[in-house]
Amino acid sequence: NAGVMQNPRHLVRRRGQEARLRCSPMKGHSHVYWYRQLPEEGLKFMVYLQKENIIDESGMPKERFSAEFPKEGPSILRIQQVVRGDSAAYFCASSPQRGGQETQYFGPGTRLLVL
Amino acid sequence: AQSVTQLDSHVSVSEGTPVLLRCNYSSSYSPSLFWYVQHPNKGLQLLLKYTSAATLVKGINGFEAEFKKSETSFHLTKPSAHMSDAAEYFCVVSYTGTASKLTFGTGTRLQVTL
Repeated sequence: NAGVMQNPRHLVRRRGQEARLRCSPMKGHSHVYWYRQLPEEGLKFMVYLQKENIIDESGMPKERFSAEFPKEGPSILRIQQVVRGDSAAYFCASSPQRGGQETQYFGPGTRLLVL
Repeated sequence: AQSVTQLDSHVSVSEGTPVLLRCNYSSSYSPSLFWYVQHPNKGLQLLLKYTSAATLVKGINGFEAEFKKSETSFHLTKPSAHMSDAAEYFCVVSYTGTASKLTFGTGTRLQVTL
């Protein structure tokens, strides 16, 4: 059973460009979460999605960031007009059920560098 | 709001000696608590989790943690450190009713020396 897949693993963008990060959850998992890790910090929750629905986006910046989890295909985290402060590691996690007791399984992350 | 505090940003131990990584959480009804480990430039791996069953939780690689409600603590221990244990460790909390959002501590970097 493959784990959570993320691609690309590394992404370099110039200021003003768009970044698209992809996440394929574990097989059988319909709940996806995105977290951001700034250098030397812990992970911060961004958004929680189920298929075709955003459940909780309380951690998403109000502008330039969006996320989707379509019926078919991976979840996408999109960052428009990137700035240097967006440089971070972005982790995706998935779980089979909703609920605080459920284990979230993390992908290897996408490391975004904005030049 | 839920929160966790990891009391030490860095811990250094000699190989073969015990490990203690400290974590306190903000008090709330029915917390679930987790410890994750992150090796350099890698993703996160679950070590163990507490979900209101036994208060002493055993995890992978010889790690265990004890949930102490009276102290609001969930410290991670291992009897004998190995060089491969050197990594960043995160204490994590979630609560029923918060749509599964995980709240991470700031991490403890464990160094293991010969």
